[in-house]
Amino acid sequence: GAVVSQHPSRVICKSGTSVKIECRSLDFQATTMFWYRQFPKQSLMLMATSNEGSKATYEQGVEKDKFLINHASLTLSTLTVTSAHPEDSSFYICSARLEDETASLHFGNGTRLTVT
Amino acid sequence: GQNIDQPTEMTATEGAIVQINCTYQTSGFNGLFWYQQHAGEAPTFLSYNVLDGLEEKGRFSSFLSRSKGYSYLLLKELQMKDSASYLCACMDSNYQLIWGAGTKLIIKP
Repeated sequence: GAVVSQHPSRVICKSGTSVKIECRSLDFQATTMFWYRQFPKQSLMLMATSNEGSKATYEQGVEKDKFLINHASLTLSTLTVTSAHPEDSSFYICSARLEDETASLHFGNGTRLTVT
Repeated sequence: GQNIDQPTEMTATEGAIVQINCTYQTSGFNGLFWYQQHAGEAPTFLSYNVLDGLEEKGRFSSFLSRSKGYSYLLLKELQMKDSASYLCACMDSNYQLIWGAGTKLIIKP
């Protein structure tokens, strides 16, 4: 089945530093990838839609300059949290859409970011 | 507006059957998904319905009625490992997923 690899699974960083999270589709090409943020006991919140070779589309309220998304190839999208602050601590999850009749999403395992 | 409703929490007994309902209102419709999410983990795909009717996959079945804007996920022979949140999501006319808040399912021995 479709596999999406997300790395790292956990990261702890200091305030003011930047963190990069990678999302790879291992056995299929993903023209569209999505980045979500999830707070404890809450549903997924879509942050942005990442399209290969073009600029990401950000949801309302999500700062483009803070959450940099790059989708340089059909199998890789990256999310960089710049100048991280403790309030950025969260669970970040990427997903890639399977371009078949189901257009289903397959998720990475998520990244637990803790900013101290 | 677009809206997905599902119960916040349900409790069931090991070995029993439970039905988790989901109602939706979206701009266009390109299918309904159910995902399972264990605490601290990413969601995993369970089912996809785009036509009316029941889709059975092992112990899990998913039903869709497009005219009623209604779906349910049926879990049979419940096991303790089925304790998780179950997310209902609809794909709208732009192929974007609209997510419900999730139903936390608690399984008791």
